[in-house]
Amino acid sequence: AQTVTQSQPEMSVQEAETVTLSCTYDTSESDYYLFWYKQPPSRQMILVIRQEAYKQQNATENRFSVNFQKAAKSFSLKISDSQLGDAAMYFCAYRSIYNTDKLIFGTGTRLQVFP
Amino acid sequence: DAGITQSPRHKVTETGTPVTLRCHQTENHRYMYWYRQDPGHGLRLIHYSYGVKDTDKGEVSDGYSVSRSKTEDFLLTLESATSSQTSVYFCAISLGSGSNNEQFFGPGTRLTVL
Repeated sequence: AQTVTQSQPEMSVQEAETVTLSCTYDTSESDYYLFWYKQPPSRQMILVIRQEAYKQQNATENRFSVNFQKAAKSFSLKISDSQLGDAAMYFCAYRSIYNTDKLIFGTGTRLQVFP
Repeated sequence: DAGITQSPRHKVTETGTPVTLRCHQTENHRYMYWYRQDPGHGLRLIHYSYGVKDTDKGEVSDGYSVSRSKTEDFLLTLESATSSQTSVYFCAISLGSGSNNEQFFGPGTRLTVL
C-alpha cells in the first residue's frame, strides 16, 4: 500500500522569504500523480500544484514549485516570496494511475508566515 | 469553484443518533467522494461513488453508509453516531477516472458527536 509522509508538523517563514515543505512517499508503482493542497483557516481545500511521475520536469505555478526526486520518492514544495496569505495547512497527496479513485494524504504541515 | 455545496456546515448530535450529511454538485461530475479529516491523520477516504447507485468503500468505511440516487447528490449516513466520528467531513468531486482526475473539494462539515 502507498503511504505519504510529511515529517514537518509546523514551519515558519518571514514574509518575502522562501520556504520548502517536505514530503516523501512510498510506492511500488512507476507511474502516479502527486499533489500539494493548501487548506487556509476557512477549511477550503485548494489544489496548489500537481506533478505527473512520468514527467521529469518539475511543475511550477507562479510562486509555487516542486522538487520531484523520483528515485528518492521525494516531492517537496517551494514557496518563493512568501506572503501572509500563504499561511495555511499544506497537504501532500498521492494518486495511483491504476486506482484513480483515491487520494492518499500526508498528515499536513502548518505554515506560519511572519511579517 | 467547482459548484460543490455541503449541508449542514455544522452539526452537533448525541451518541446513538442517526446523522446524514449531504453533498450537492451542480456540474454533473461522475465521481464523488467522502473524506474525513482528523488531526494527525490528514484526510482519509470513507466512501466514493462512480455513478448513480454505484458506490464503493474507502479506507475508513466502518460505521458509514452512502447513497447516490441522483448524479448531483451524494449522501453520507452515520446510522448510529459515535464520539469517534467527531470530525470534519469533506465531499469531493472529479471529472472521471482518467489521467485528469483532479479532485475538487467542498467547504466541509464539522460534526460533533457528544
